[in-house]
Amino acid sequence: DTGVSQNPRHKITKRGQNVTFRCDPISEHNRLYWYRQTLGQGPEFLTYFQNEAQLEKSRLLSDRFSAERPKGSFSTLEIQRTEQGDSAMYLCASSLAALAGVEQFFGPGTRLTVL
Amino acid sequence: AQTVTQSQPEMSVQEAETVTLSCTYDTSESDYYLFWYKQPPSRQMILVIRQEAYKQQNATENRFSVNFQKAAKSFSLKISDSQLGDAAMYFCAYRSTNDYKLSFGAGTTVTVRA
Repeated sequence: DTGVSQNPRHKITKRGQNVTFRCDPISEHNRLYWYRQTLGQGPEFLTYFQNEAQLEKSRLLSDRFSAERPKGSFSTLEIQRTEQGDSAMYLCASSLAALAGVEQFFGPGTRLTVL
Repeated sequence: AQTVTQSQPEMSVQEAETVTLSCTYDTSESDYYLFWYKQPPSRQMILVIRQEAYKQQNATENRFSVNFQKAAKSFSLKISDSQLGDAAMYFCAYRSTNDYKLSFGAGTTVTVRA
């Protein structure tokens, strides 16, 4: 399968715990995005990488959130000291930088539930 | 941040009939991209159709077409000959030519009646 993959698909954690999600983009894509989607809403942008460089972070990305893309391939999103308000679907997307108006390809998401 | 508004939380359509989903957006830019994405239940989001703002011709992809009204900042999606597999949440999204992130509307849930 050459699409965007995300692991785990589901994560249940207790408030105050740390969680880490992984995203593997389409192999030749150099741009990678993280979005958060709460129930009944559209995705909201969190952060964006071009290769290994994190170029933009949303104000939604509090200091408890950190994202990395160490070798310009897969990316991780870590949430420290989780809160109930962090419960959401976390979506990863990737695209190829060279094309204007290019489509972002989305992964299946990681659904986080904070108890 | 750009604002994208989808005023119809839910739409229902009879199989083989046509349904139109509305989307309006707010921007001060003259060049940008608009997208409709489909998110089936428990499945990943896929692109349905894309429109470049500098193109006056409305985009069409098989049974899916858009009505792009730039002056009105309106971008509606028409699904013709609706099929059971069209049942999903549909999101309208905006992207500036100077930016990379997508701004999404709240979505419209489409139900197809057999």
